[in-house]
Amino acid sequence: DAKTTQPPSMDCAEGRAANLPCNHSTISGNEYVYWYRQIHSQGPQYIIHGLKNNETNEMASLIITEDRKSSTLILPHATLRDTAVYYCIVRVDGNQFYFGTGTSLTVIP
Amino acid sequence: DSGVTQTPKHLITATGQRVTLRCSPRSGDLSVYWYQQSLDQGLQFLIQYYNGEERAKGNILERFSAQQFPDLHSELNLSSLELGDSALYFCASSPLAGGHLWTDTQYFGPGTRLTVL
Repeated sequence: DAKTTQPPSMDCAEGRAANLPCNHSTISGNEYVYWYRQIHSQGPQYIIHGLKNNETNEMASLIITEDRKSSTLILPHATLRDTAVYYCIVRVDGNQFYFGTGTSLTVIP
Repeated sequence: DSGVTQTPKHLITATGQRVTLRCSPRSGDLSVYWYQQSLDQGLQFLIQYYNGEERAKGNILERFSAQQFPDLHSELNLSSLELGDSALYFCASSPLAGGHLWTDTQYFGPGTRLTVL
């Protein structure tokens, strides 16, 4: 069963911040939240992950709520190349990832 | 470039045939994962190997099998192929075996597109 819920699609204007939400209300205390994206039919690309603190890297920022029931991936300045399907993942058993249906982000010129 | 390589990129075959997909993990990674992505199913976890041994099993059919060799590359064997096996097959690798208390990021290869006619 999916452990995350994401909106099926979103649009974002080029140059603006893209904020992608994810609900993971059943997450347990030691489970990490991962974000990946998939452009066309390429292999999923790792973006960022976190446990309870906010995280930032060269690609994005991850904001996790204090109760850990939801998180938001932020692409600070979206470009056309950020158009992709974004997956929010909580590991199932061991290191198994359940990808779900993700959010299809379209960056509009 | 994730550092994970997969061959071949494309494979076209007929129903009933058998094919082998190959994956080379990132240097130093001990775990290999196989995923299937078809149009109506999304990305499905198939199986994980860690340092040569099967670690976890997902929705893998009995007609499919995999192994990981001493040099850590992995092969996914698909037999008695059916039309419904047409899909993208991705391999991913990670440094460790995974586990609830570990953060063990998976890095994906470019995939093999299998078409069964």
